[in-house]
Amino acid sequence: DSGVTQTPKHLITATGQRVTLRCSPRSGDLSVYWYQQSLDQGLQFLIQYYNGEERAKGNILERFSAQQFPDLHSELNLSSLELGDSALYFCASSVVSGGFFGNTEAFFGQGTRLTVV
Amino acid sequence: AQTVTQSQPEMSVQEAETVTLSCTYDTSESDYYLFWYKQPPSRQMILVIRQEAYKQQNATENRFSVNFQKAAKSFSLKISDSQLGDAAMYFCAYRSALEYGNKLVFGAGTILRVKS
Repeated sequence: DSGVTQTPKHLITATGQRVTLRCSPRSGDLSVYWYQQSLDQGLQFLIQYYNGEERAKGNILERFSAQQFPDLHSELNLSSLELGDSALYFCASSVVSGGFFGNTEAFFGQGTRLTVV
Repeated sequence: AQTVTQSQPEMSVQEAETVTLSCTYDTSESDYYLFWYKQPPSRQMILVIRQEAYKQQNATENRFSVNFQKAAKSFSLKISDSQLGDAAMYFCAYRSALEYGNKLVFGAGTILRVKS
């Protein structure tokens, strides 16, 4: 158990719908990362938050948004869902943000399997 | 932008034998970190080993070791005395030590099958 909790584990929804994925980081971790794992794109970084603020952005679609709350949990919102959004969405957390102090392990949750039908 | 390439989509190894997974990366940075992650069928991403680019000594964790060739931008993973539990997808990953954020850039992965 990595200490990172993601809910739900599985989600099936229809095209055009909106879903929210939730992530609780390990106790004491200030950084939260979201990654998407799909068959055609592999593991792609979406976005990082550090202590409530957006720190880095990757290949995240405009239909997707995220936030980190004062209690440090994070939510990834996916809207106007398309079949191609079906993927495994991982959340990871670490103590620090990056740079030379970034050599800390990022712990991954077990992912949310999203299926869009 | 940094890229990570794993040229072996799939590898097989006999139990108790040794296998090496290849990884190359492209970066213009001099300071960075490299990782190998394991993803078993449970989907959990598990850190296997990490290497700091400024360290010349290759990292070792029990049966897992790396061959880090900075000039060649190569970072291979050697698994000795392979066990059935080593069967998984293995991802090579890069993290900049200079960027404001802390994202991991992953390779496409290598499926490792262990035969008994």
